[in-house]
Amino acid sequence: QLQLQESGSGLVKASQTLSLTCTVSSGSFSSGGYSWNWIRQPPGKGLEWIGYIFRGGNTNYNPSLRSRVTISVDRSKNQFSLKLTSVTAADTAFYYCARGDGYNRATFDYWGQGTLVTVSS
Amino acid sequence: DIQMTQSPSSLSASVGDRVTITCQASQDISNHLNWFQQMPGKAPKLLIYDASNLERGVPSRFSGSGSGTDFTFTISSLQPADFATYYCQQSHNLPPATFGRGTKVEIK
Repeated sequence: QLQLQESGSGLVKASQTLSLTCTVSSGSFSSGGYSWNWIRQPPGKGLEWIGYIFRGGNTNYNPSLRSRVTISVDRSKNQFSLKLTSVTAADTAFYYCARGDGYNRATFDYWGQGTLVTVSS
Repeated sequence: DIQMTQSPSSLSASVGDRVTITCQASQDISNHLNWFQQMPGKAPKLLIYDASNLERGVPSRFSGSGSGTDFTFTISSLQPADFATYYCQQSHNLPPATFGRGTKVEIK
């Protein structure tokens, strides 16, 4: 059973950089053919797709966040990571990593449990 | 961006009721529409993919239909475990993948 687990700082100061890592438990990360996604959800609000990366390193970002987002991959550790620069209170959210399959590799079939990141002033 | 208009935003229903949620896309997305269930404090769970395909292990009381711009999600007989928030999401045109604003299903 595939498992994803987010890790990283739960508290970030405004104007600084949010950094999170997702560790993927099983062989599907090394087999290719899937996208590896970051999705966020402000407390009590809806879901926002941040972007994805393929194992080979190709990325695709939400245009609304593109100037501040970098997603990278570490194949040796079965991990992919999110960096979001110049954070504000609006970036306070639960951050989820998820696997993408299907059309456009945008059917999110496995999710991590999520981690709350709070931006403080 | 493709906008996903989901309705209603909330509903109250009783155990055993038939529940229907609709999702309308701002442009043709073929059948590239997914439905998720989110319990409080948990990650979303994929229930339906490509408009009408039941994800493995999901009970058959959940179903989806539609194509183009108009989609429907149905719970044929609401169970206590089904009280949650449901989201639609289009995978047709990226970036970005976009979600509806959610429908909260509450106990009447």
